[in-house]
Amino acid sequence: DQQVKQNSPSLSVQEGRISILNCDYTNSMFDYFLWYKKYPAEGPTFLISISSIKDKNEDGRFTVFLNKSAKHLSLHIVPSQPGDSAVYFCAASAGSGGGADGLTFGKGTHLIIQP
Amino acid sequence: EPEVTQTPSHQVTQMGQEVILRCVPISNHLYFYWYRQILGQKVEFLVSFYNNEISEKSEIFDDQFSVERPDGSNFTLKIRSTKLEDSAMYFCASSSLSVNYGYTFGSGTRLTVV
Repeated sequence: DQQVKQNSPSLSVQEGRISILNCDYTNSMFDYFLWYKKYPAEGPTFLISISSIKDKNEDGRFTVFLNKSAKHLSLHIVPSQPGDSAVYFCAASAGSGGGADGLTFGKGTHLIIQP
Repeated sequence: EPEVTQTPSHQVTQMGQEVILRCVPISNHLYFYWYRQILGQKVEFLVSFYNNEISEKSEIFDDQFSVERPDGSNFTLKIRSTKLEDSAMYFCASSSLSVNYGYTFGSGTRLTVV
């Protein structure tokens, strides 16, 4: 039962261009969404989050967009840099951001930034 | 920058043996978590821990699993009788108050059950 889906296992983008990573979810109880980045042999690193009461959140080169009616969110990275090459995980929470919540993760998208 | 430390980085154990995975969360964090990632699959929530008790657990976290905060700094995951399918990367994480700040994950322990 894939409640959080990342349908693209990999994505290749040229350096300097925009990277767009997509995520769909099925559970309408999810109200908080997060993006994590993971390098090999390391744990996931938090990037950016968005509450369901917003449709956009921006932090430097990273912007997350949420379309609640479509149950879709996306992460935009602009401009893309070589160090952005990593696996990106979308995650969701159903507890309004409370600390005890477990996160439901997608399978990840491997972003490759081409020089 | 504060980090979550996990030991060992790799553990090999025989099927049926007990294993204890260790984590040192960030000192002023209040919530602690264990996640696992089976090779090629997604990261899966196991359990969250707050105020010295389990707050939430998934279906994966059955009677074979237990967690403990034995001394105020360590946070452990015990698997009583390991099975081949327990082979995975186990990640510990901690957070201060709420998930909207994101967790800080450790680098993981790769558990291999043979």
